[in-house]
Amino acid sequence: EPEVTQTPSHQVTQMGQEVILRCVPISNHLYFYWYRQILGQKVEFLVSFYNNEISEKSEIFDDQFSVERPDGSNFTLKIRSTKLEDSAMYFCASSSFGSSGIPPRQFFGPGTRLTVL
Amino acid sequence: DAKTTQPPSMDCAEGRAANLPCNHSTISGNEYVYWYRQIHSQGPQYIIHGLKNNETNEMASLIITEDRKSSTLILPHATLRDTAVYYCIVRVGNDMRFGAGTRLTVKP
Repeated sequence: EPEVTQTPSHQVTQMGQEVILRCVPISNHLYFYWYRQILGQKVEFLVSFYNNEISEKSEIFDDQFSVERPDGSNFTLKIRSTKLEDSAMYFCASSSFGSSGIPPRQFFGPGTRLTVL
Repeated sequence: DAKTTQPPSMDCAEGRAANLPCNHSTISGNEYVYWYRQIHSQGPQYIIHGLKNNETNEMASLIITEDRKSSTLILPHATLRDTAVYYCIVRVGNDMRFGAGTRLTVKP
């Protein structure tokens, strides 16, 4: 079965630095998502992306965050000026276009563990 | 998306059926019920979804009450590898919102 891949698996950075988390969605998928999960907490939606623009974002996704699809395969999440509280697992997901009104399955990557020191 | 209520934790004996309940009393007519699970810190994994009919696949069965206000995910023969957090999500669009889920522990 096709998989969503994410790199790196673990990223350690200093507070105030910028990080870019990378994802390769499933090749024929059209929708892309980022979620985060702070240790011991629930999975939180950050942003969804379709047709080269953000389609929805949560209140967490402020000006510190940005997303980009720089080429035909990668989908990135940039976090500027990282803070201690940005330490979390970040999951990328992708989905195809839902048919007949059925919300599409989202396929998740293995995650990137971000540690901000 | 409608809110869901799940018990925070459940135990199940290995080889027995695990029945995980979900309450979604405010679900609207076009919202689907989706179940995902998360094993340890891995990415969430799709299990099954349904609208109003009961559904079965190779992983599980989904039973949705006639009024659609609640549902039950059934793992027919739970194994130790089914230990995970199970999320019941009600959705109509592309986006998903996770709740706290039910932490299922399968015991030998």
